[in-house]
Amino acid sequence: SSELTQDPAVSVALGQTVRITCQGDSLRSYYASWYQQKPGQAPVLVIYGKNNRPSGIPDRFSGSSSGNTASLTITGAQAEDEADYYCNSRDSSGNLVVFGGGTKLTVL
Amino acid sequence: QLQLQESGPGLVKPSETLSLTCTVSGGSISSSSYYWGWIRQPPGKGLEWIGSIYYSGSTYYNPSLKSRVTISVDTSKNQFSLKLSSVTAADTAVYYCARRLGIRIDYWGQGTLVTVSS
Repeated sequence: SSELTQDPAVSVALGQTVRITCQGDSLRSYYASWYQQKPGQAPVLVIYGKNNRPSGIPDRFSGSSSGNTASLTITGAQAEDEADYYCNSRDSSGNLVVFGGGTKLTVL
Repeated sequence: QLQLQESGPGLVKPSETLSLTCTVSGGSISSSSYYWGWIRQPPGKGLEWIGSIYYSGSTYYNPSLKSRVTISVDTSKNQFSLKLSSVTAADTAVYYCARRLGIRIDYWGQGTLVTVSS
C-alpha cells in the first residue's frame, strides 16, 4: 500500500480551477513532486519543490503544501489537462521513494 | 537533451528473471547528485517505484521488492540495469527507467511492456 493517498478521480469544468491533493505523514517533512500522465505516454514532471515548474509547463499549474497535504492546482483547466496525476515524495524514513495512487482528472 | 531508452525482452516466463537495460544519451550517468532508477506500472494501475542507484553503486530498493531486485550501473557504457527474479504474472507491467534529482524525477524513458507468461 502507498504511503501517499490521492483521491481516485476528480472532475472540473473547462476553464475552472481544480485542486488535486496528496496526503501522507512524510509530507510534513518533504515536498512532493507532481506528474501528469496521458494514456500510452510516460509521466511528465509538472511541479517540484515548494512550487517550481520545469521549462515548458504552463503557469496554470501550481503547487502548495500544508501539514501532511500537498496540492496541485490547475487554474483555468484546459481540455488537454485531462490526464492521470501522480504525486511522489520520500517515505517516512526519508530514504526511499513513494508514489501516490494517482488521480484521474476529467475536464468537463 | 537527455534521453533514456529501455531495452530487453518483452516476454518472460514465470519463475524466471526479468532483465532490462537503460541506455542514457545526451548526458553522463556519472554526474553527481543524480540517481538512476526504475519505476513500473501494471496495466491500468498506478506507478510503483522499484529502486534507484547512484553512479558510485549505492542502491535503494522498494522494501516490497527488495528480495528479488538488483539494480546495477555500467558507467563505461552509460547504462544501468534491472534484474527482477522469480517473476509472476503480477510483475507484468510497463517498466520505466528514469533520472531522479532529490525527489523529482525529471527524465523518463518511453517505457517498455514486459509480460510474464508461459
